[in-house]
Amino acid sequence: AQSVSQHNHHVILSEAASLELGCNYSYGGTVNLFWYVQYPGQHLQLLLKYFSGDPLVKGIKGFEAEFIKSKFSFNLRKPSVQWSDTAEYFCAVNARNRDDKIIFGKGTRLHILP
Amino acid sequence: EPEVTQTPSHQVTQMGQEVILRCVPISNHLYFYWYRQILGQKVEFLVSFYNNEISEKSEIFDDQFSVERPDGSNFTLKIRSTKLEDSAMYFCASSEGPGASHEQYFGPGTRLTVT
Repeated sequence: AQSVSQHNHHVILSEAASLELGCNYSYGGTVNLFWYVQYPGQHLQLLLKYFSGDPLVKGIKGFEAEFIKSKFSFNLRKPSVQWSDTAEYFCAVNARNRDDKIIFGKGTRLHILP
Repeated sequence: EPEVTQTPSHQVTQMGQEVILRCVPISNHLYFYWYRQILGQKVEFLVSFYNNEISEKSEIFDDQFSVERPDGSNFTLKIRSTKLEDSAMYFCASSEGPGASHEQYFGPGTRLTVT
């Protein structure tokens, strides 16, 4: 069975700091990988996704993530965060061409200090 | 941009009552899903639905739950006899093709509170 582990439950940063949120998954087969964001009071939005191809994926709002297959990781990065990035971030995985269901991590609550 | 919509945004019900949560998927999408998020916990898959049939369901999706596409636009989740532990945010999602190879688009959620 697949599982997703997010290392940080709560991260506090100042504006302009660099961000890296860790994500590891457990699954022996080929996967699709996702980062979703949930801004306060809003619904889940897709930040970026990896289905195949270049393991360095660029998403919206300056976010990127790198799929490192050997480490089963898909860490999310942003070089310089803004106050508006305050939100909860979810890493997620599904088994490519096999399972429709997406397995989510527990989420990381990011708080940016102005 | 097309969106998944859900109604109501918040539903309060008493234990033992039936509730129906409604979703309108994106119009050209053929695959539909329900997920839930209990407060403070992770988002969990409940069920996927395609061609008027359940294609996959989780252990959570027991006989108390059912899904239906009653017309060409709505996709519903029914909980027959609600329990306190059913209190959660319920998210509907849809995708153009199978979720295993296509992006799922999520709705804003319905917060269900069972008292």
